[in-house]
Amino acid sequence: GEDVEQSLFLSVREGDSSVINCTYTDSSSTYLYWYKQEPGAGLQLLTYIFSNMDMKQDQRLTVLLNKKDKHLSLRIADTQTGDSAIYFCAESLTGGGNKLTFGTGTQLKVEL
Amino acid sequence: NAGVTQTPKFQVLKTGQSMTLQCAQDMNHNSMYWYRQDPGMGLRLIYYSASEGTTDKGEVPNGYNVSRLNKREFSLRLESAAPSQTSVYFCASNRGYYGYTFGSGTRLTVV
Repeated sequence: GEDVEQSLFLSVREGDSSVINCTYTDSSSTYLYWYKQEPGAGLQLLTYIFSNMDMKQDQRLTVLLNKKDKHLSLRIADTQTGDSAIYFCAESLTGGGNKLTFGTGTQLKVEL
Repeated sequence: NAGVTQTPKFQVLKTGQSMTLQCAQDMNHNSMYWYRQDPGMGLRLIYYSASEGTTDKGEVPNGYNVSRLNKREFSLRLESAAPSQTSVYFCASNRGYYGYTFGSGTRLTVV
């Protein structure tokens, strides 16, 4: 099956930028997603990018997509303590069922 | 509020016991999913239902069964729970281009 890889941990200082990286394997993925999971909660969609785009910006969030290298990144500008959470990237799969494959998740810790 | 509702939120089972995890969505979505989340392993797909009346296996279906009761409800059953099934279980429904809407999860411990 497809593997979506992320580093497990990232620690940044409040006010700095955070960059969370993801590599995926299915070159035919149509959409790629970033989800946020706060402690004890389900996953919430942060943003998504269509595969024919290189970049998408949404307020403090910037998503970069490099299809050649199958690399997706999420940049959070001016990181705040409320951004501390686990971040998952996910890719849509070809075939039936509209299935998504999720990465292992990156735990972001924001320090004062 | 519109969304995905899961019950129960917490459950402790003894090895060999059975239980059903319930999931319901009120967004009229066709596709629904069950995932399990384990530390360092992300979310792994157990079963999914592309539409009412259909179900298919995901990546880790062994030890589980599902029922798509109607368009709203998709349940997950553990017939004989094992400690390896200790996990957090998430139900989700598909919003099309906007990805999934997730429930808040069921935290299951099998002792």
